[in-house]
Amino acid sequence: AQSVTQLDSHVSVSEGTPVLLRCNYSSSYSPSLFWYVQHPNKGLQLLLKYTSAATLVKGINGFEAEFKKSETSFHLTKPSAHMSDAAEYFCVVIRNTGGFKTIFGAGTRLFVKA
Amino acid sequence: ETGVTQTPRHLVMGMTNKKSLKCEQHLGHNAMYWYKQSAKKPLELMFVYNFKEQTENNSVPSRFSPECPNSSHLFLHLHTLQPEDSALYLCASSQELSRAGYTFGSGTRLTVV
Repeated sequence: AQSVTQLDSHVSVSEGTPVLLRCNYSSSYSPSLFWYVQHPNKGLQLLLKYTSAATLVKGINGFEAEFKKSETSFHLTKPSAHMSDAAEYFCVVIRNTGGFKTIFGAGTRLFVKA
Repeated sequence: ETGVTQTPRHLVMGMTNKKSLKCEQHLGHNAMYWYKQSAKKPLELMFVYNFKEQTENNSVPSRFSPECPNSSHLFLHLHTLQPEDSALYLCASSQELSRAGYTFGSGTRLTVV
């Protein structure tokens, strides 16, 4: 069975401090992993993706994520938060071995304080 | 703009109305999707089309009727909806059913009164 767990429904940080959004997954097959961001009243925008190449993936707006197979994790980080980072973030697993399936995490709302 | 355009952006309709949501992409993608996003719930996949053929209907009520006339256009026809159908409806596309990920539109905010 496949699942995606975003461990925090809300994260609050101060501007200029690091961001950590946690995601754990389970998959019977080697999945592709993604982080998407959604600003209010907008669609989802791709931040970064892991598709079995380098385990440390760099994305847009200074975000990066590290795929750790032993921990089944794909946490999203950014060294220094900006006010414009305030949004909802979704961790997503896609596999197309043994049937195509996409699983979205429940989302983490990031608040950035001035 | 992401390359996936959804219209209208906002829609208010009565329970007896018939309306349609439109999605258009010119990214050369062959797969298109409808998702429903309700408050405090994970995204729900509704329909998948791959090369204009419907490959997945995720137990969606028949009051939602999709149509995919070609690989660039996707419609969601709505009739006799319920207030609980109020949500953000997102269209997405991808290069076939691949692990490369999706491009999403900005969504249609639907309110059923």
